[in-house]
Order: sequence, then C-alpha cells, then structure tokens
Amino acid sequence: GENVEQHPSTLSVQEGDSAVIKCTYSDSASNYFPWYKQELGKGPQLIIDIRSNVGEKKDQRIAVTLNKTAKHFSLHITETQPEDSAVYFCAASKGNQFYFGTGTSLTVIP
Amino acid sequence: SAVISQKPSRDICQRGTSLTIQCQVDSQVTMMFWYRQQPGQSLTLIATANQGSEATYESGFVIDKFPISRPNLTFSTLTVSNMSPEDSSIYLCSVGSGTSGATDTQYFGPGTRLTVL
Repeated sequence: GENVEQHPSTLSVQEGDSAVIKCTYSDSASNYFPWYKQELGKGPQLIIDIRSNVGEKKDQRIAVTLNKTAKHFSLHITETQPEDSAVYFCAASKGNQFYFGTGTSLTVIP
Repeated sequence: SAVISQKPSRDICQRGTSLTIQCQVDSQVTMMFWYRQQPGQSLTLIATANQGSEATYESGFVIDKFPISRPNLTFSTLTVSNMSPEDSSIYLCSVGSGTSGATDTQYFGPGTRLTVL
C-alpha cells in the first residue's frame, strides 16, 4: 500500500515569512495530491491540489509543487498571516483511496 | 463543493453504549466515506459507505463495531457500538466530488467529537 510521510510535524514562522511543508509518497501509481487545512474544532478543508500531469500549481499565497521522479510534493505558503495557523495534512491518492500524512502544526507568530 | 453537515457535533457517552452519527449532504454524491481521527493524529479511513449495499470496511474495522447505513445518495450514518474510552475520537464524513467514482477529491464534514467515559 501507499505510505505518505510528512515533515515537519511542527513549524513556527514569523508573520510575513514563508512556510514550506514537505511530503513523500511510495506508490508511483498515485496520481492526485491534495492538501487540507484543519483549524481547531473543524473538519479538514481542501486548500489546493495537484494532479500528476502538472509540476506546479499556485493559488494566491499558496502553491504546491510535485516531483514525480523523486515522489515528493510540497506546500508553500508565502506572506504568512496569523489566520494561516492550523494543522495541514497532505494526501496521496489513486482511485478512491486517500492516504494521509501525519500532519504539520503551523503557528504563525504575529 | 457540496455542503456537508454532521449530527451530533459532539457527545459524551458512557462505556458500553452506542452512538449513531448522521451525515447529510446537500446534493447527490456517489462516494461517501467515514474516517476516524484520534486526538492529535492523522485521518484513518474506516469504510466506504455504498448506496444500496453493505459498506466496504478497511483492515482493522468491522461491521459489528461500526455499522454503516447509506439509504440514499445524500445521507449516511455511522454507529459506534459498545463504546470504550479507546473510541474517543473525531469521526468525519467525507464525500467524493463528481459522479464517476474515479480519482475525485474528497470534501469533509465538520466532524463529530466523541468522548467515551
């Protein structure tokens, strides 16, 4: 089965700085890679995703990069704001089976 | 994306009892899933809720402990049976986008926070 590793487990940045979270996956057949943001007391919210035929995708301050050869993908948040503080989960998928990383707790310090 | 609601949002239960969690979607969806998220942990898939047939359970989860119903394309229930403190978790419903059942993304409900004493 698929194995998704996520690093770091915790991340603190100053407001305005950038944050990068990295994930690796093991199954080369995985072809869809979403990122979720989970705020305290809420369900995970999809923030950005990328499919295996694309190397990079950007949405305002958030971007995701994918390296299929190395089997890793990353979330980049620029100009961080306190409201970016949350737990972020990556996932790798083929078909309907989603495999989640262990999460990164991001704290943006005002 | 679909609007997903869950009831109850939270509950505190006594060991040995059962709790049924409801998941309602505002549009018809092909795929519905139930996840468990233990405190401070990642998401673990319990089962895929199939409309009109028995749910498909992941390894480590059994129907007697987590019976699931899916009477139509907008509604599903998960029951946590004969609860113990180890069942204290967040239970999340998710739906797959699109109708093909292929690699669509998943959207999550707000979760049900269960504490078993």
